[in-house]
Amino acid sequence: NAGVMQNPRHLVRRRGQEARLRCSPMKGHSHVYWYRQLPEEGLKFMVYLQKENIIDESGMPKERFSAEFPKEGPSILRIQQVVRGDSAAYFCASSPINAESTDTQYFGPGTRLTVL
Amino acid sequence: DQQVKQNSPSLSVQEGRISILNCDYTNSMFDYFLWYKKYPAEGPTFLISISSIKDKNEDGRFTVFLNKSAKHLSLHIVPSQPGDSAVYFCAARSSNNNDMRFGAGTRLTVKP
Repeated sequence: NAGVMQNPRHLVRRRGQEARLRCSPMKGHSHVYWYRQLPEEGLKFMVYLQKENIIDESGMPKERFSAEFPKEGPSILRIQQVVRGDSAAYFCASSPINAESTDTQYFGPGTRLTVL
Repeated sequence: DQQVKQNSPSLSVQEGRISILNCDYTNSMFDYFLWYKKYPAEGPTFLISISSIKDKNEDGRFTVFLNKSAKHLSLHIVPSQPGDSAVYFCAARSSNNNDMRFGAGTRLTVKP
């Protein structure tokens, strides 16, 4: 019963490069959430997706960031032209189909992005 | 906008004693509250939750108290154990919103 999986666990990029972070939700979960944790700060919501749909991207920076959750395969968080300020831990969480507002989200181990 | 605040960045407690972690929120639309525990290099793990229709929820050594009028909740751990040492995040969400707001976390250290 695999939990939420994220890869890579660590990612190093130089300024201007692209970063791709992957998240495979728990089996049977069709809701995916992405969060970012900056150093010394709490987790901040970025985007909520269901299969092939972005439901809420109110926490996503307007430029350079995009997310998708295709019909097949993992959810991808993509950061184009990375800058040093993008260095953070990025966490993915999933919740089951027919999620109610009270449903618990299960988190992956996170991807630590370092921008040189 | 810091809608969920954990004002104590750290807390140190002796093994066997009670740990009390506090959380305040500003958005009166929040109606569901959660506590997550996070170990280094791991993702947050769900610990316990409470709906706004309740003022207390207990699960083993963990109890969460909710004071809606004060917009305050707390997590009590008793008795505290060294394995409880971790960062604890308070989170809140509302029924008509998809995002969950987190506090900055409190690092709990339980000393043997």
